[in-house]
Amino acid sequence: EPEVTQTPSHQVTQMGQEVILRCVPISNHLYFYWYRQILGQKVEFLVSFYNNEISEKSEIFDDQFSVERPDGSNFTLKIRSTKLEDSAMYFCASGRGDQPQHFGDGTRLSIL
Amino acid sequence: AQSVTQPDIHITVSEGASLELRCNYSYGATPYLFWYVQSPGQGLQLLLKYFSGDTLVQGIKGFEAEFKRSQSSFNLRKPSVHWSDAAEYFCAVGARYGGATNKLIFGTGTLLAVQP
Repeated sequence: EPEVTQTPSHQVTQMGQEVILRCVPISNHLYFYWYRQILGQKVEFLVSFYNNEISEKSEIFDDQFSVERPDGSNFTLKIRSTKLEDSAMYFCASGRGDQPQHFGDGTRLSIL
Repeated sequence: AQSVTQPDIHITVSEGASLELRCNYSYGATPYLFWYVQSPGQGLQLLLKYFSGDTLVQGIKGFEAEFKRSQSSFNLRKPSVHWSDAAEYFCAVGARYGGATNKLIFGTGTLLAVQP
């Protein structure tokens, strides 16, 4: 069964540094998402991406965040200047619109 | 506003016992409903989904859930729990597809512990 693949599995970064989280969605999916889960808390929606543009973003997704689909396979989340409170598990998901979203195994981001 | 409530933060059951995890949602129309399971350090695995039709849906690993519109509930059940079911369970609600968003709203999760 096709999977959503996320790299790296764990990223450690100094506060103030830029970080890029990478995702390879399922190949025939059209909708792409990023969610995050702060340790011990619920999964929160960050942003959805469809037809090469952001379709919705949450209040968490401020100017420090950006997403990109640089080629036909990758979907990236960039945090421009990381803060301690950005430490979380970040999940990428993809869907076809008529099916539930498939999630990757996540990237654990640790900000020091 | 859309929201999902999972009233039980932590549940402990004995292996072989039955299980019911509660989920209530708030949504302006009939939503799409999902249950996901997360093992420690792992991603989210879809257990089952409700889109329309039969209100009792079957999922993987012997789980089922029943959609009750009158109670705005979508409780997850399993007749006999196995030790490998110990994990965190998340209920989620999503918009009916047709829009370009389709984001999921998650509950806070229920952590299931299984006693031998």
